[in-house]
Amino acid sequence: QSALTQPPSASGSPGQSVTISCTGTSSDVGGYDYVSWFQQHPGKAPKLIIYEVTKRPSGVPDRFSGSKSGNTASLTVSGLQAEDEADYYCNSYAGSNNLGIFGGGTKLTVL
Amino acid sequence: EVQLVQSGAEVKKPGESLQISCTGSGYTFTSHWIGWVRQMPGKGLEWMGFIYPGDSDIRYSPSLQGQVTISADKSISTATLQWGSLKASDTAVYYCARLNMGLLTIDYWGQGTQVTVSS
Repeated sequence: QSALTQPPSASGSPGQSVTISCTGTSSDVGGYDYVSWFQQHPGKAPKLIIYEVTKRPSGVPDRFSGSKSGNTASLTVSGLQAEDEADYYCNSYAGSNNLGIFGGGTKLTVL
Repeated sequence: EVQLVQSGAEVKKPGESLQISCTGSGYTFTSHWIGWVRQMPGKGLEWMGFIYPGDSDIRYSPSLQGQVTISADKSISTATLQWGSLKASDTAVYYCARLNMGLLTIDYWGQGTQVTVSS
């Protein structure tokens, strides 16, 4: 199974919005509403910020939102803040006999 | 509070064996799959495999099967990842993670264990 495709980098100024894409196939992203997004700061463990395409765990700011269209899921970070600078990874369920697939990661820089 | 606490950093030589651990607390350890995720230096996240501690059902990534062994001891709420013969390419940070099968996501992560293999 191939990794989901994410842009290697994204950037925006404080207060702006930025969207990160995650492209898969009809066997993963397009086939199920089980896309998650994780935020990872340098030297830290990843943290769940979006699950089931659009849902936020308790404590995650509503500046983070998720969506999906066809085989592409997206993470939007609105009102960028300095602490949003991190790596972001998408992950999709890909069927019961599959471990699930991660994207290659996107480094978000707050200018 | 759910916690996954991993064993400390390791420095090993090629050919040596190694076992790292992940101890769960704050939840019923036998009721959730635990996965192991590899992050090689400067790279992304990669599933290695999962284990269900309740019955020790194990699923390995096809690309890594045979290179590592995943196990769990439910009496001490601990999952382990072991290598019989390390290679330099095993140098990475290894995370354990709890799967939430209702939401089909990872809801908790361990802090990570740095493994360095160098002669």
